[in-house]
Amino acid sequence: GAGVSQSPRYKVAKRGQDVALRCDPISGHVSLFWYQQALGQGPEFLTYFQNEAQLDKSGLPSDRFFAERPEGSVSTLKIQRTQQEDSAVYLCASSMDRHNEQFFGPGTRLTVL
Amino acid sequence: KNEVEQSPQNLTAQEGEFITINCSYSVGISALHWLQQHPGGGIVSLFMLSSGKKKHGRLIATINIQEKHSSLHITASHPRDSAVYICAAGNSGGSNYKLTFGKGTLLTVNP
Repeated sequence: GAGVSQSPRYKVAKRGQDVALRCDPISGHVSLFWYQQALGQGPEFLTYFQNEAQLDKSGLPSDRFFAERPEGSVSTLKIQRTQQEDSAVYLCASSMDRHNEQFFGPGTRLTVL
Repeated sequence: KNEVEQSPQNLTAQEGEFITINCSYSVGISALHWLQQHPGGGIVSLFMLSSGKKKHGRLIATINIQEKHSSLHITASHPRDSAVYICAAGNSGGSNYKLTFGKGTLLTVNP
């Protein structure tokens, strides 16, 4: 696969459950980004990795949100004790480096009941 | 924080019409991105520009740095162009990887 992939594509969680969302970036891309897109809104920045280092997590809305990229490739966004306001599409993007064009994955649509 | 505004929010056109979508931002940027999002969430990058004009097929993007304004034009529009078009401003300075997105323009092109 040449593009960014994300899994699962859809996730339904009960309030209070923990969820883990996966992103497989394009091979060789150094930079990886997570975004949250609420219904009818543009995406909003959550966090940025350069290789395995999380250089910016200023957009994470609360300490229930945690992201990692331990080997500098696949990344996981974890949300603990999900709340209804966490319902959104979570988008992952990667780029060769932070100055370059970002390539987006299809997103994971999270619905918290 | 940069504020990114798009207009119009919704646009309906007949096939063949010339389309213009506008984007304005409030503070200096490193680059301006135009993105296309189809139903189901997938986002495709159309243009990344920091000055002047870029053209790809029927799509043209322009930017006026002094006026903090960019436009996306679609010539000879087609129903397959129906999608949400989003502009995003890249921060200037050290955090230039960080994009601030507009809310998007929903374009519907009728046959």
